[in-house]
Amino acid sequence: DGGITQSPKYLFRKEGQNVTLSCEQNLNHDAMYWYRQDPGQGLRLIYYSQIVNDFQKGDIAEGYSVSREKKESFPLTVTSAQKNPTAFYLCASSIDPRVKGSNEQYFGPGTRLTVT
Amino acid sequence: LAKTTQPISMDSYEGQEVNITCSHNNIATNDYITWYQQFPSQGPRFIIQGYKTKVTNEVASLFIPADRKSSTLSLPRVSLSDTAVYYCLVEEDSNYQLIWGAGTKLIIKP
Repeated sequence: DGGITQSPKYLFRKEGQNVTLSCEQNLNHDAMYWYRQDPGQGLRLIYYSQIVNDFQKGDIAEGYSVSREKKESFPLTVTSAQKNPTAFYLCASSIDPRVKGSNEQYFGPGTRLTVT
Repeated sequence: LAKTTQPISMDSYEGQEVNITCSHNNIATNDYITWYQQFPSQGPRFIIQGYKTKVTNEVASLFIPADRKSSTLSLPRVSLSDTAVYYCLVEEDSNYQLIWGAGTKLIIKP
């Protein structure tokens, strides 16, 4: 069953701790993305990766870090430098953003992070 | 850099056709427009993608006028289950920027 998975669904952390959110896809997609969504708000791009071992900052990368060592995996670390980390985090993947007209993004179910 | 603007919310009734418009100034010739649907506490789901004129699939149509300064998502004969937030997305070809709209909350009434 192909898809994109995120774990865990809910995550609780104390302020000052780094936390890593998992994102795995078995769709053989080249590109992967991380978004942040605050209550009642739209999607904001944190990081994206178009290919293994390469990633680019999105609009709100400060306080976050990523790695793309494998095609299937794109973990996001929320560091203690992120001032307001409590949010809903969404991971997505797409076939190849360089191929226009076929860049549908497939989203995971999301991870709700609460930092107190 | 393109900017996208959508209405914050819309209401309609079951069985009606719903049109949601997204304004996107400064869109370039090769930029694509995509629409997504999101239910609460879930990831968005792709609806339709277009480049110019009209695109239709089994769930929606997308109309893009010649000046490409806006696009309209059309949902035929909506049902209660179409209550969701709808996002437009402009993918800028020149620098691969993803410009998301703020979303339109669509409420379908019986």
